[in-house]
Amino acid sequence: DGGITQSPKYLFRKEGQNVTLSCEQNLNHDAMYWYRQDPGQGLRLIYYSQIVNDFQKGDIAEGYSVSREKKESFPLTVTSAQKNPTAFYLCASIRRGLPNNEQFFGPGTRLTVL
Amino acid sequence: DQQVKQNSPSLSVQEGRISILNCDYTNSMFDYFLWYKKYPAEGPTFLISISSIKDKNEDGRFTVFLNKSAKHLSLHIVPSQPGDSAVYFCAASDTTTDSWGKLQFGAGTQVVVTP
Repeated sequence: DGGITQSPKYLFRKEGQNVTLSCEQNLNHDAMYWYRQDPGQGLRLIYYSQIVNDFQKGDIAEGYSVSREKKESFPLTVTSAQKNPTAFYLCASIRRGLPNNEQFFGPGTRLTVL
Repeated sequence: DQQVKQNSPSLSVQEGRISILNCDYTNSMFDYFLWYKKYPAEGPTFLISISSIKDKNEDGRFTVFLNKSAKHLSLHIVPSQPGDSAVYFCAASDTTTDSWGKLQFGAGTQVVVTP
């Protein structure tokens, strides 16, 4: 069964700690994306990667870091520099050339900073 | 600067009636538009899309209309069902750029379908 997995579903962090959110896809998709969603707001792009070993900042990259060492994996690290990290984080991927230009989303990770 | 806007944060509609969701965009280079549906604590799921070369796309109960001159699109759901209660996001992309898959999302519209 192809899809995108994100783990964990819920994550709690103490202030000042870095935390890494996992995102894996077995769809053979080329590009991967990280978004955050806050209550009453849309999806804001944090980082994206279109090929392995390359990634680009999105609209709200400050306080976050990513890596793309494998095509299937795109982990997101929320650093202590992120001022307001409590949010719902979504990972997505897309295969170049699909007719709908559709991004497929994972189930999300709820991060809460205590 | 928000390039995709959904100005109605919420919409309440009676079961069986039509739901009309609106979306406006500012970037004339956008050439592909998508609608996603999202339940709480889940990832968005793709609903329907439209290319800028068309003005209408239909899939079952869902129809998307695109008015390029007005930079406006709308999603019609008819008839509305209780399971349609969710947040709906409008998204747009410029597939001609180097960032070909990148989507710009609106803030979403919460739809509530009442019995």
